[in-house]
Amino acid sequence: SAVISQKPSRDICQRGTSLTIQCQVDSQVTMMFWYRQQPGQSLTLIATANQGSEATYESGFVIDKFPISRPNLTFSTLTVSNMSPEDSSIYLCSVEDPTGYGYTFGSGTRLTVV
Amino acid sequence: GENVEQHPSTLSVQEGDSAVIKCTYSDSASNYFPWYKQELGKRPQLIIDIRSNVGEKKDQRIAVTLNKTAKHFSLHITETQPEDSAVYFCAASSGMEYGNKLVFGAGTILRVKS
Repeated sequence: SAVISQKPSRDICQRGTSLTIQCQVDSQVTMMFWYRQQPGQSLTLIATANQGSEATYESGFVIDKFPISRPNLTFSTLTVSNMSPEDSSIYLCSVEDPTGYGYTFGSGTRLTVV
Repeated sequence: GENVEQHPSTLSVQEGDSAVIKCTYSDSASNYFPWYKQELGKRPQLIIDIRSNVGEKKDQRIAVTLNKTAKHFSLHITETQPEDSAVYFCAASSGMEYGNKLVFGAGTILRVKS
């Protein structure tokens, strides 16, 4: 199955600042997905990132707050902008495995905003 | 869009007993239904999945059943072991037209008592 390297694994940030999370996949994939998992909750899709086009955002998420880059078929970044304590969460990237083995997740980024 | 409901939210079983978790989905176009296991502090791991052209799939102690007419699917774990204790998530995907994105259920905390 695809292997995803996600970093940073965790960070503590000051409110009002921004954090960029990176995901690198060991194979080429058409779409990459970014999820948020708040403490004790399920996974909520933030956006879908296609290479060469703008990301598609889910209801409740906007590009100004969560800008995404997708410069090639193996890499994507998610930025959490102008952070507030409510942004404290785990952020995960995911890809549909090109071998057909379902969807694989990165190890997640645990973000704490103080 | 798709909506996935999952029950129960918590489930306690005695070691060796069976556990069943049920999910319903709303979009009849959904055609892929994975189950994920998430241990504390770790990424979700795919444990089994089923596609809409199959009614049942089994992998050792784990099985998934799908009823397309009723739009529900279930995870069955037999001979439960303490290491099965985790949070389990069901999900549904509507395929390429919707960007292959997964919509997750709220999760079930499974506790296996030894």
